[in-house]
Amino acid sequence: QVQLQESGPGLVKPSQTLSLTCTVSGDSINSGYWSWIRQLPGKGLEWIGHIYDSGVSYYNPSLQSRGNISADTSKNQFSLRLTSVTAADTAVYYCARGLGDWLRIEYFDHWGQGTMVSVSS
Amino acid sequence: EIVMTQTPLSLSVTPGQPASISCKSSQSLLHRNGKTYLYWYVQKSGQSPQLLIYEVSNRFSGVPAKISGSGSGTDFTLRISRVEAEDVGLYYCMQSIQFPLTFGGGTKVEIK
Repeated sequence: QVQLQESGPGLVKPSQTLSLTCTVSGDSINSGYWSWIRQLPGKGLEWIGHIYDSGVSYYNPSLQSRGNISADTSKNQFSLRLTSVTAADTAVYYCARGLGDWLRIEYFDHWGQGTMVSVSS
Repeated sequence: EIVMTQTPLSLSVTPGQPASISCKSSQSLLHRNGKTYLYWYVQKSGQSPQLLIYEVSNRFSGVPAKISGSGSGTDFTLRISRVEAEDVGLYYCMQSIQFPLTFGGGTKVEIK
């Protein structure tokens, strides 16, 4: 079965770069939409962005161009980098597999367990 | 961006009674291809969100028949016919007709 696992530091200093990796098993990241979603404390869910075809990516404009998602097909992993972080980026970060057709991503059917990242000095 | 508004914020339900959650979108989720890009998730305590319903009314694999979705255009509803302890959690609607993908604020379902 498809499994996703996030990894990365749980604490990042303000103005630095948040880096997370998602390791996928049970499916190849060469197909599908591989996504990052976060859950801000006490709040709802926010789509960060996704990558597909191992190189094409889309991002939420709310990130103000701070996000970058990349893929390493040799390791079946994809990664998120978020630059210039502030306390407002403190959240639980999930990676997820998105399904859809050639036109668009439609929904997320498998999620990682999530990893808490705090931004603090 | 499309704003998804869920009501109520929370719901306390007697076991065996029905529950209903509303989700309204700021724009129609009906695409010219005939699909309506509206989805429902539940997040149970300490877990990741799980897909319940896709394209308004289709139950995802393993989702019991007591859970149903309905609606069209901009107004949607998730119903649980008989709430049990296993249904406790946070319920979210999501749209994917337009970037950025957006979620509703969530509805907390509790047992009385």
